[in-house]
Amino acid sequence: EIVLTQSPGFQSVTPKEKVTITCRASQSVGSSLHWYQQKADQSPKLLIKSASQSFSGVPSRFSGSGSGTDFTLTINSLEAEDAATYYCHQSSNLPHTFGQGTKLEIK
Amino acid sequence: EVQLLESGGGLVQPGGSLRLSCAASGFTFSSYAMNWVRRAPGKGLEWVSGITGRGGGTYYADFVKGRFTISRDNSKNTLYLQMNSLRAEDTAIYYCAQDVAAVAGAFDFWGQGTLVTVSS
Repeated sequence: EIVLTQSPGFQSVTPKEKVTITCRASQSVGSSLHWYQQKADQSPKLLIKSASQSFSGVPSRFSGSGSGTDFTLTINSLEAEDAATYYCHQSSNLPHTFGQGTKLEIK
Repeated sequence: EVQLLESGGGLVQPGGSLRLSCAASGFTFSSYAMNWVRRAPGKGLEWVSGITGRGGGTYYADFVKGRFTISRDNSKNTLYLQMNSLRAEDTAIYYCAQDVAAVAGAFDFWGQGTLVTVSS
């Protein structure tokens, strides 16, 4: 099973700040790495697929990069509505696995 | 507009059974793999099971093998998860999610979830 390790686990940030979340895989997943946002009491929403492809309708301040074992989700100019938990997910190998999540708190 | 609507959750005793359903609309259901993902209280997301578009391939996480069965009825645009021998640790919100690649892609759309509580 591929283990995904996200960092940080929690971050308190101010609006307009730039945020970087990393996801490291225990073995290469190629570009089969995706990012989701889950707000309180809502279902997850896809932000970035295949490491760097923005999903339809996602604001341009969200971007992804990386390949192999190291990946990054960047949020430029954070907005208050971005308060949520963010997860990475690999679909390279079964079972699918998720990172443990990064909770963003807006100050 | 893609819509996924789960149902069938509830309170069940340890060792009991439940059948979850996920009604799909807004897309050609048989063209997409589908998955079940859960989130236990205070924990992160966990993939449970996936099924290919025509149902020929089914896949499970080790912790549900032999207890859960995924299936689909493409004539009814509905995905199912039969859960037997339920344990307290199966308590979670269960989401269905659409997968554009045969259980090998991102989960483009998710339902709102259905809560399963296993407790005596």
